[in-house]
Amino acid sequence: NAGVTQTPKFQVLKTGQSMTLQCAQDMNHEYMSWYRQDPGMGLRLIHYSVGAGITDQGEVPNGYNVSRSTTEDFPLRLLSAAPSQTSVYFCASSFRGTGGYEQYFGPGTRLTVT
Amino acid sequence: AQRVTQPEKLLSVFKGAPVELKCNYSYSGSPELFWYVQYSRQRLQLLLRHISRESIKGFTADLNKGETSFHLKKPFAQEEDSAMYYCALCNNDMRFGAGTRLTVKP
Repeated sequence: NAGVTQTPKFQVLKTGQSMTLQCAQDMNHEYMSWYRQDPGMGLRLIHYSVGAGITDQGEVPNGYNVSRSTTEDFPLRLLSAAPSQTSVYFCASSFRGTGGYEQYFGPGTRLTVT
Repeated sequence: AQRVTQPEKLLSVFKGAPVELKCNYSYSGSPELFWYVQYSRQRLQLLLRHISRESIKGFTADLNKGETSFHLKKPFAQEEDSAMYYCALCNNDMRFGAGTRLTVKP
């Protein structure tokens, strides 16, 4: 299993540009999430999904869209990039088993908006 | 609303010294709590979770419902323990604390 994969690893955007961060998992997990990681603020939840066709907002959803058309994929779209969206973005997939909740993270995408 | 607080942004200890990373939470139900570790420029990895009451890499964490805490402890820190540590609470989604950067000096 590849686990959780993210592309690209690095991206530089100009203010106002749009782009999609890709996330895929091959573990058939129900849940997927997007976080941003900023110094001193930890990980903040952007959007999450509890299954294909179902998404919901997290703590910091503004400026981002998501969709979940398949179990495997959970892309994050930046509609009009702003410097405040410079961050490291982590995708995660998770499930709730007999041993409780388990979450697995992707390697991250480092985004710079100039 | 669920919230996780890690009061120390930075923690520095010498090799062989005990270490305790603090985590407090606010949640009205029965919490499901985790510690994650992130080594330099790597992805987050699950370190341990309260439900399994295990010890990983010498670390333990006990859930104290009275004090709403889930502090991470290790009796003898090693240099390779230097990393970012995040406490997290799971309800319908996972909420993380701001993290504590642990540095273990030789």
